[in-house]
Amino acid sequence: DAKTTQPNSMESNEEEPVHLPCNHSTISGTDYIHWYRQLPSQGPEYVIHGLTSNVNNRMASLAIAEDRKSSTLILHRATLRDAAVYYCILRDPNSGYSTLTFGKGTMLLVSP
Amino acid sequence: DAEITQSPRHKITETGRQVTLACHQTWNHNNMFWYRQDLGHGLRLIHYSYGVQDTNKGEVSDGYSVSRSNTEDLPLTLESAASSQTSVYFCASSERASGEPTYFGPGTRLTVT
Repeated sequence: DAKTTQPNSMESNEEEPVHLPCNHSTISGTDYIHWYRQLPSQGPEYVIHGLTSNVNNRMASLAIAEDRKSSTLILHRATLRDAAVYYCILRDPNSGYSTLTFGKGTMLLVSP
Repeated sequence: DAEITQSPRHKITETGRQVTLACHQTWNHNNMFWYRQDLGHGLRLIHYSYGVQDTNKGEVSDGYSVSRSNTEDLPLTLESAASSQTSVYFCASSERASGEPTYFGPGTRLTVT
């Protein structure tokens, strides 16, 4: 999996939007951008993924730069339950490998 | 709803004992994985399987083994537990295509004394 760079930590207030950035300057044309999060004492949880176009689901939105060298996970209204470590991971569906390589991720702190 | 379960959730064992951690998924996924998570190292891949009778070594496979006799289960065995294997273990599964989401179990906290 290609390398991604994320800030170590970010802070937010409850009910405010949160923008979690991820840089992936070496992304290839076939890499999908995946986001997972891990709440305290739980297993990682799939959040969202996309290729080129922005994506929305019930949990979050994913905004992908036009050159695909960066992306942003958007939580529209942060709640205390969103406090977690967020991982940005590149996946190549053509590589034949299904394993995930986790980096250190971004620890999101949410204050009441 | 489909799910992935792990048992036991907590285990304390002694050095040298053989330990087996269970993982069961009802997603009917072909791919299954075992990861361990330690402070300072993040999540690391131990073993994985792409289907029945298929097993592969991951980044930190020494001292661990797996077997895949059916689609639903991938038990992880520590042949002779060592204190360095004290960790939280996560099982995961996904569809065959590598671009699809991976779903994780709740984890097993293993302590080797």
